[in-house]
Order: sequence, then structure tokens, then C-alpha cells
Amino acid sequence: GNSVTQMEGPVTLSEEAFLTINCTYTATGYPSLFWYVQYPGEGLQLLLKATKADDKGSNKGFEATYRKETTSFHLEKGSVQVSDSAVYFCALYNAGNMLTFGGGTRLMVKP
Amino acid sequence: DTAVSQTPKYLVTQMGNDKSIKCEQNLGHDTMYWYKQDSKKFLKIMFSYNNKELIINETVPNRFSPKSPDKAHLNLHINSLELGDSAVYFCASSQGRDIEQFFGPGTRLTVL
Repeated sequence: GNSVTQMEGPVTLSEEAFLTINCTYTATGYPSLFWYVQYPGEGLQLLLKATKADDKGSNKGFEATYRKETTSFHLEKGSVQVSDSAVYFCALYNAGNMLTFGGGTRLMVKP
Repeated sequence: DTAVSQTPKYLVTQMGNDKSIKCEQNLGHDTMYWYKQDSKKFLKIMFSYNNKELIINETVPNRFSPKSPDKAHLNLHINSLELGDSAVYFCASSQGRDIEQFFGPGTRLTVL
């Protein structure tokens, strides 16, 4: 079956630090990959996506590259801000309208 | 002009009660979902409806019954609430098999 594994949090960084949140997946076929972000008290918002191998998704300074050879989709940002504090979910989409989520990683950015 | 809305935002109730959560989307989507997020933030799909028909039912107890009166609404009714039902429930929608899903703000259910 499908599964997504993310690094456990919380990840605590100082403002302007470099961010990496690891995500690896197991799936049959060729899934699409996503990062969703959940700000405190809100629902999930799509942050970025990649639909095929070697695609790079990017948005708001965040990037992730679909690596089929390592089955990974790590999230990176060069310089985080306090406003980036949130929970980040890696997810994959395969046949059948189903999104499979990782366990979420809480990011805390301190001024 | 909220895209996916849920009511109520918070719901506190006693064990054994029956309660409903409502979801509406104004995006014109034909597919809607319910997800459960537990206290550790783990998110799992419960149901999916396409054009008012159930297409995904992920081993959810029979006490949970989704109802879709039309394509824009997917309500979740829960009978005989248990302590373990305490969680945040998210509604989402998408257009057919479009991979991008839009989420509502969530309903925090607390069972005492």
C-alpha cells in the first residue's frame, strides 16, 4: 500500500536559518507528491506539488524535488521566518482520489 | 467568500450523544471528503463522495454516517459518541480526480 514517512518534530529554528524537512514515500506506480501547511487553528493549505519524477515544486520560498530514485520529496527553504511556524504535511496521491498523509512535522521559528 | 466551510468550529458533548458536523463548498467541485486528525496531528481519510455517491469508506465504525444532500454539501453524523472520537475533523473538496484538494478550517470535537 501507500505510505508517507516524515521526520518527527518539532523542528526549532532561528529566523533566517535554513530549513529541511525530510519526506520519503512508498507507493506503487507513479504518485503525485505534495506538501501541505497547517497554520495554528486553520485547515490545511496546499503549499506545493510535483506530479512526476524530477519535477520541482516551489511556492513562497519553499521548494521540493520529486526524487524517484530515492523515493523522497524533501521540503527546503533557504531562510525561514517566524510566520512560517506551522505544521507541515507531506502527502502522496495515487489512484482512487486518495491522499495519503505523513504524520506532520511541527516547525517553530524563533525571532 | 469562504471556499470550504464547516460548522460548528467547536463541539463539546457527552459520551453516548449523537451529533452532526456540516460542510459546504462553493467551488463547484463534485467530490468531497472527510478526514480525521488525532491529537498527534496524524491525518487520515474517512470518506469520499463523488456526485453524492460514496466512493471511499476507510474502515470507519458504523456509528459514522456521511450524508450528501447535494454536490455542495457533505455532512457527518456520529451516533453514540465515544471518548476516542475526540479529534479535529476536516472536510475537503476537489474537482473529480483533480489531485488538488481544498480543506475547510476543521471542527474540533471533544467528547467528555
